[in-house]
Amino acid sequence: DVVMTQSPLSLSVIPGQPASISCRSSQGLVFSDGNIYLNWFHQRPGQSPRRLIYKVSNRDSGVPDRFSGSGSGFDFTLKISRVEAEDVGVYYCMQASHWPWTFGQGTKVEIK
Amino acid sequence: EVQLVESGGGLVQPGGSLRLSCVASGFTFSVCPMHWVRRAPGGGLESVSAINPNGATTYYANSVKGRFTISRDNSRNTLYLQMGSLRLEDMGVFYCAREGTPGTYDLWGQGTPVTVSS
Repeated sequence: DVVMTQSPLSLSVIPGQPASISCRSSQGLVFSDGNIYLNWFHQRPGQSPRRLIYKVSNRDSGVPDRFSGSGSGFDFTLKISRVEAEDVGVYYCMQASHWPWTFGQGTKVEIK
Repeated sequence: EVQLVESGGGLVQPGGSLRLSCVASGFTFSVCPMHWVRRAPGGGLESVSAINPNGATTYYANSVKGRFTISRDNSRNTLYLQMGSLRLEDMGVFYCAREGTPGTYDLWGQGTPVTVSS
């Protein structure tokens, strides 16, 4: 299975400050169709996960533009340009280029 | 409203069985691959099983292969997960998820909890 390794596993951020989460894959993620199926999800306590980013850098409709995804090869990053209180929760990267689709361990973001 | 609603979770003894259901509404269920994803008690997420739109092709995580069976009834807009020989490590919240476009989960249900305990 492809192992997805996130870092850091927890973040404490002052509102208005930036935050960055790294995700590294153990294998390349280029699918046979040429796409890289790397996603980012956010899960608040008591809620279902919500997709933020798909195919590395495509932001979902309704997701604030302070969220951005980037990366290539084995290394990918989710950046929040200015953290807000509603951004608390756990962030997961997930690869969907190889079955089984696999998630990172999750990064817990809290507000200072 | 576009939504997925799971049911069927509960408390089961080790070695027991359970069938989860997920009813889809607000979109064309029959054209979407569908998945089951588990959130473990410690918080990690695991893709458990997937099925293609007509139900002919299924996928399983190694941890559940031979014990779980995914299926769907497109006439009822319903996805199922038959879970057997349940183990303590199968516990968690099971989410139904839609693969609306390739390589992603673009819609999740609210989840149904499964507890395995004697």
